[in-house]
Amino acid sequence: QSALTQPASVSGSPGQSITISCTGTSSDVGGYNYVSWYQQHPGKAPKLMIYDVSNRPSGVSNRFSGSKSGNTASLTISGLQVEDEADYYCASYTNRYTGVFGGGTKLTVL
Amino acid sequence: QVQLVESGGGVVQPGRSLRLSCAASGFTFSNYGMHWVRQAPGKGLDWVAVISYDGSQKYYADSVKGRFTISRDSSKNTLYLQMNSLRAEDTAVYYCAKRDSSGAPPGKVNLDFWGQGTQVTVSS
Repeated sequence: QSALTQPASVSGSPGQSITISCTGTSSDVGGYNYVSWYQQHPGKAPKLMIYDVSNRPSGVSNRFSGSKSGNTASLTISGLQVEDEADYYCASYTNRYTGVFGGGTKLTVL
Repeated sequence: QVQLVESGGGVVQPGRSLRLSCAASGFTFSNYGMHWVRQAPGKGLDWVAVISYDGSQKYYADSVKGRFTISRDSSKNTLYLQMNSLRAEDTAVYYCAKRDSSGAPPGKVNLDFWGQGTQVTVSS
C-alpha cells in the first residue's frame, strides 16, 4: 500500500489557478472513480473538498474542481484566495478494499 | 449537527495496548461506515482501517494488520480502535471519520465528517 504521489508544494498568487496532481496505479486511482481530496489547515481536522473524482460536497466553493486521467487525478483551484493556503491530500479506494492517501501538498498563496 | 469525539489517547510504552473510542452523535450511526485515519507529527494523513455500517466488513492498512482491531457498538453510537503491540511508529494523532453514505464499498475514502483527533504517543 504505497502512498499516492503528490508534489510536495505548489504556489500561486491570488486570483490565479493552480493544479495539484495525484499519481497512483491501476490498483487504486486508475482502477476506480473513487478519488477524493481534502484540505487541512494547521492544527485542524481535514475537510472533504472533492469526492468520486469530481463531485463537490454541499458548501464547497465551485472554485474547487477535480478530474482524472488514467492513473493520475488532479485538483484545480481557480481564483486563488488567501484562505486557500493549506495542505491538500488526495485519497483513493484500492483493489484490496482499503483506502490510501497521498503524501500531501502544501499550497502557498503568495 | 454531526459530532465525532475521540478519546482514549495517551502515552504508552512500546509493546503495550491502548483502546481508542469515538463517540458519534447527530446522525444515525448504524447507517454509515466509519474510518480511522492517523497523522504522525509533521507528516501526512495515513489511512488505518474501515468498518462497514453493519460491522460485517473490516479492512486494515498493512502496517497495522494483525495488531489493530476496529469495531463498533451501535447501541452506544461508538466506534473503537483496539491497538496492541504498539510501536514508536504508531505515534500520531488518530482521527475517526464518517463515510458520506452507506453505499459500497465501505473502503471508499469519502469522509464527510471528522473528529478533532486524539494523540497517541508510544515511547519508553
